[in-house]
Amino acid sequence: EPEVTQTPSHQVTQMGQEVILRCVPISNHLYFYWYRQILGQKVEFLVSFYNNEISEKSEIFDDQFSVERPDGSNFTLKIRSTKLEDSAMYFCASSAEESKETQYFGPGTRLLVL
Amino acid sequence: DAKTTQPPSMDCAEGRAANLPCNHSTISGNEYVYWYRQIHSQGPQYIIHGLKNNETNEMASLIITEDRKSSTLILPHATLRDTAVYYCIVRPYNTDKLIFGTGTRLQVFP
Repeated sequence: EPEVTQTPSHQVTQMGQEVILRCVPISNHLYFYWYRQILGQKVEFLVSFYNNEISEKSEIFDDQFSVERPDGSNFTLKIRSTKLEDSAMYFCASSAEESKETQYFGPGTRLLVL
Repeated sequence: DAKTTQPPSMDCAEGRAANLPCNHSTISGNEYVYWYRQIHSQGPQYIIHGLKNNETNEMASLIITEDRKSSTLILPHATLRDTAVYYCIVRPYNTDKLIFGTGTRLQVFP
């Protein structure tokens, strides 16, 4: 069964450093999402992306964040200058055109900012 | 956005049906009810969704009351691997984002 994959599974970085989290969505999916979950808290929506554009973003998704689909398969989330409070599990999700309400999530990247 | 209310935790014996309730009394006519679950710290997993009719798939059944103010997710034969946090989500028609609450922590015991 096709699945969303994410790399790396864990990332440790110093405060102020840039990180890029990578996702490979399911191959025929056209809608892409990033969510995050701070330890012990709810899963929070960050951004949705379709047709090479951001379609929706939350208040969390400020100028420090950006998303990109650099090629036909990868979908990335960049955090330009990480803060301690960016430590969280980051989940990528994707959905198909014909059933875009059903989002399939990856296993997540655990980001720790020191 | 319509708010959902779920019990914080439930227990279920292995092999028995797990019935997870959700209240969404402010739901609008064009808003769907979705159920996802999250096993430990894994990514959320889609289970089922519906608008007003009852739905069934290989994972579960979704029963939505006639007035649509509440729903029940039924796992017909719970296994230990069904231990997870179950989220009931009402998604407005004009957005793709999922707004997760705190869910119900289901513990299946032997």
